[in-house]
Amino acid sequence: NAGVTQTPKFQVLKTGQSMTLQCAQDMNHEYMSWYRQDPGMGLRLIHYSVGAGITDQGEVPNGYNVSRSTTEDFPLRLLSAAPSQTSVYFCASSRSSGNTIYFGEGSWLTVV
Amino acid sequence: DQQVKQNSPSLSVQEGRISILNCDYTNSMFDYFLWYKKYPAEGPTFLISISSIKDKNEDGRFTVFLNKSAKHLSLHIVPSQPGDSAVYFCAASVTNAGNMLTFGGGTRLMVKP
Repeated sequence: NAGVTQTPKFQVLKTGQSMTLQCAQDMNHEYMSWYRQDPGMGLRLIHYSVGAGITDQGEVPNGYNVSRSTTEDFPLRLLSAAPSQTSVYFCASSRSSGNTIYFGEGSWLTVV
Repeated sequence: DQQVKQNSPSLSVQEGRISILNCDYTNSMFDYFLWYKKYPAEGPTFLISISSIKDKNEDGRFTVFLNKSAKHLSLHIVPSQPGDSAVYFCAASVTNAGNMLTFGGGTRLMVKP
């Protein structure tokens, strides 16, 4: 059981480039979300989804887009990368509200 | 404006002793609280949770206490082991609100042999 899988693990981008962080889960979870973690801070919610076709903004959504065309996948798109988006990104999923949330191993992104 | 705060960035404990990690929150709508453990270069892993209808939840060496009137929760680890050395995050959520978590800044626990 792979759980929550994120790719790539590491990425270096130039300012202004775009890219997509991939997230897939094989637990048939309805809820998926993206967080970012910056040094000395806890994780902050970027976007979340409560089911296929449904997405909403979290605490820090600016500069990011998401879509949820299938239950399994929840990609995070950086439209025009900025140095402020240098961070570690975590994808998470859960069966529904009030259930345990499982995290992927993280994607380290550096924008130069 | 941090809604969940962990005021101690680090804690050092001797092996076999009790570790107590603290967390405060300000949003009275939070009704579900979780602790996550994180090793370097890995994602957070769920440790233990507590609903606001309880004031204590225990799982082996780990116990979480919730004081709703003080908006305070704590994680007790007894006895502490070197393998417990990690960063611990407190998180809070509102049930039926998309299972979104609001995290504290984390406490780095070091358990010395």
